[in-house]
Amino acid sequence: TQLLEQSPQFLSIQEGENLTVYCNSSSVFSSLQWYRQEPGEGPVLLVTVVTGGEVKKLKRLTFQFGDARKDSSLHITAAQPGDTGLYLCAGEGSDSWGKLQFGAGTQVVVTP
Amino acid sequence: DTEVTQTPKHLVMGMTNKKSLKCEQHMGHRAMYWYKQKAKKPPELMFVYSYEKLSINESVPSRFSPECPNSSLLNLHLHALQPEDSALYLCASSLQGSGEKLFFGSGTQLSVL
Repeated sequence: TQLLEQSPQFLSIQEGENLTVYCNSSSVFSSLQWYRQEPGEGPVLLVTVVTGGEVKKLKRLTFQFGDARKDSSLHITAAQPGDTGLYLCAGEGSDSWGKLQFGAGTQVVVTP
Repeated sequence: DTEVTQTPKHLVMGMTNKKSLKCEQHMGHRAMYWYKQKAKKPPELMFVYSYEKLSINESVPSRFSPECPNSSLLNLHLHALQPEDSALYLCASSLQGSGEKLFFGSGTQLSVL
């Protein structure tokens, strides 16, 4: 089993502040996905990173994939209350076709 | 249509009941999934269907029985559940099944009394 560790587990910030969520593993992943989940809803994909060293931007969200494809980060600039949610990283290891493994998640709360 | 529709949204059942969860997608996806999610935890994979055949069963107890009648539908039959089975059950689909974007439904919040 290729474990994905997320940190921090919980993050509470004021509107306008920046935040970074980390997703780390000792294993190599062919790709990593980031999802956001709101209460009572299923996770929604934000981005997929595939190439080591890749950086992707989605408005105020910046995603990085580590050079060795073992870690990833999500940075949110000028957070807004609408960014509140459970952020999950997920990856499929080389020996687990079809099995998307999720990290434990980071609960982000942005207060006005 | 980019939706995965799950019914019912909420379900309360006794330990002797038999019930079914339903999931439907019309995106032409050929892989469909059942996940179980406890509060404040990540989704845990239960079953994967690929081209209407069960390809992955993550050692799920037999009181959970999946069924894929056709490429658009996925059911989860429940029988003799335990209170610890109470959770959010999520259905998801993807184009073919490996390393792809998953489209999730809103889930069925199940309570077993």
